[in-house]
Order: sequence, then structure tokens, then C-alpha cells
Amino acid sequence: DTGVSQDPRHKITKRGQNVTFRCDPISEHNRLYWYRQTLGQGPEFLTYFQNEAQLEKSRLLSDRFSAERPKGSFSTLEIQRTEQGDSAMYLCASSLFFRSGDTIYFGEGSWLTVV
Amino acid sequence: RKEVEQDPGPFNVPEGATVAFNCTYSNSASQSFFWYRQDCRKEPKLLMSVYSSGNEDGRFTAQLNRASQYISLLIRDSKLSDSATYLCVARRGSNYQLIWGAGTKLIIKP
Repeated sequence: DTGVSQDPRHKITKRGQNVTFRCDPISEHNRLYWYRQTLGQGPEFLTYFQNEAQLEKSRLLSDRFSAERPKGSFSTLEIQRTEQGDSAMYLCASSLFFRSGDTIYFGEGSWLTVV
Repeated sequence: RKEVEQDPGPFNVPEGATVAFNCTYSNSASQSFFWYRQDCRKEPKLLMSVYSSGNEDGRFTAQLNRASQYISLLIRDSKLSDSATYLCVARRGSNYQLIWGAGTKLIIKP
């Protein structure tokens, strides 16, 4: 499978614990995006990388959230001191971006439940 | 008010019927538009891009009205497999940020 892959697909954690999600983009895609989606809502932008540089972060991304993309390949999204409001599906997407734009491909998402 | 707004539905439609839904956007700087389809608890998948001249892909037709700032999706001869949530997306800014609607739920009934 050469699509965007995310791991783990499901995570249940206790409030206050830290969790980390990993995303492996489509090979050679230079952009990688993280979104969060709750039931009945569209995806909300969190952050994106162009190669290894984190170019934009949403105000939704509090200090408890951090994302990295070392070497411009896979990315991790860490949530520290999880809260029940963090329960959502975390979507990773990647694209090959040119000046004219790109087509974004999503992974299957990582479901987080904070209890 | 959300930047991209959609009727959440659900739209309950008999199989074989034609269904249409609209999406409005408030930022006139939005540059391009898309419809995505999302099945329950799955990731969004690109259905089609939307062009000012209107575009068609099989049973699906999308149109953009920049003057009134809305886009539409028409599905003809609906199939049971068309049941899903349809997300309207606007793209804007130098970073081509995607702004998502909350989605319209479509249920096709036999």
C-alpha cells in the first residue's frame, strides 16, 4: 500500500497521559498536514510542513500539542497531558505541492479517546 | 458564522432520484473549491474539483457561482453507495489552506 499511513489507528488513554501519533506520507510528497475532526464537523486544520519545515500552526494547536517532521519524511503529533476534549480523529494528509497547488491525500486517521 | 457553510441534512432520497446540495463561502479571496466524500468513520476522499465553468464526472456535476459565493453538487440517478457525508472545501491564501464545511449527510434509500 503506497498511501498515507497512520499509526496507531485507535488509541484509548487516560486523561493526563501523553499520546503520540505517527504519519508516513506518500513517498516524495513534500507537504504533510495534520487535521482534527470531531463527529458532525469537518476537519479542522492543525499544522502543516513543507519538507521538514513547519510553516503554519493553527491557534487550535495549544502548547500541549507538538508536531515534528524530522528529515522531511514521516511526522509525529504528540499531545501532552491529554484532556477529554482532545477526543477526536486525527487525520494526516500529504501532497506534492507545486506553485499551482496540489491534490491532498488523507490517511485513514487515528482515533483518540480520552477517558 | 463559519467561513464555509453547508446544510447538515440528512437528505433522505430514494434510489434513482436526483439530489442537489449547496455550500456557501464567505471569504471572497477563496481561490479554488472541492467536494470531498466521507464515509462513516473513514477519511475524506476527493470527489471532484469545482470550476467556474462547471464540471461533470459521470453522474456528478459541480458548479461554482463566484458572484453569489456558493458551490453546488448535483448527483443524478443516485445509488445506494452514494450514501455518505459530502464535504465542501474552499482553498485560499498563499499557503493554499483548506477551509472545510461541516458536511451534508446523504442517505439513499432503496
